[in-house]
Amino acid sequence: DAGITQSPRHKVTETGTPVTLRCHQTENHRYMYWYRQDPGHGLRLIHYSYGVKDTDKGEVSDGYSVSRSKTEDFLLTLESATSSQTSVYFCAISELAQYGYTFGSGTRLTVV
Amino acid sequence: SQQGEEDPQALSIQEGENATMNCSYKTSINNLQWYRQNSGRGLVHLILIRSNEREKHSGRLRVTLDTSKKSSSLLITASRAADTASYFCAPGRRNTGNQFYFGTGTSLTVIP
Repeated sequence: DAGITQSPRHKVTETGTPVTLRCHQTENHRYMYWYRQDPGHGLRLIHYSYGVKDTDKGEVSDGYSVSRSKTEDFLLTLESATSSQTSVYFCAISELAQYGYTFGSGTRLTVV
Repeated sequence: SQQGEEDPQALSIQEGENATMNCSYKTSINNLQWYRQNSGRGLVHLILIRSNEREKHSGRLRVTLDTSKKSSSLLITASRAADTASYFCAPGRRNTGNQFYFGTGTSLTVIP
């Protein structure tokens, strides 16, 4: 999607290893989000950011941490990956409360 | 819970027919958004309706909002095979991070 890029697109990792997913935007939007999507659960908010170095927890933040040192980058780290964190991870950005989100194409993470 | 709940979970119609999906929510809102997700892709913002609006149109899409019943509906008229996707609603409240919470969606299949 234009203006937002997620990397990597696919990743297979072993249980217990740390993993970092990157979300990069070129829109200079204030807000950034990480969601995970699993069958039967829809999209669930992990963490979000409302400015550089301003982040907060979402619904399912246990086992995840985030950092935002620049407006354009929002990193999601799985500190010690578990099989329950196998999922598709989506990043999203937005500017103002009354506008919608723009989503990235997703990262498919498999923890074996 | 701040998320929307879509109904039905799955819907199958013939091309040219209208498709109606419903969303219920539990909290007071400032706005409500609808998104579409094609298989394997990120969500795409379709339309936003504010809490003081009752109906909004965008092309073949019509969204209604009844805040007294805490419900919204998305109507797609003259459906096409390309409308096959999952549809999600996201109730919006005024909050720090402009964060939205999604349900599990309605899976729409349009049969050519």
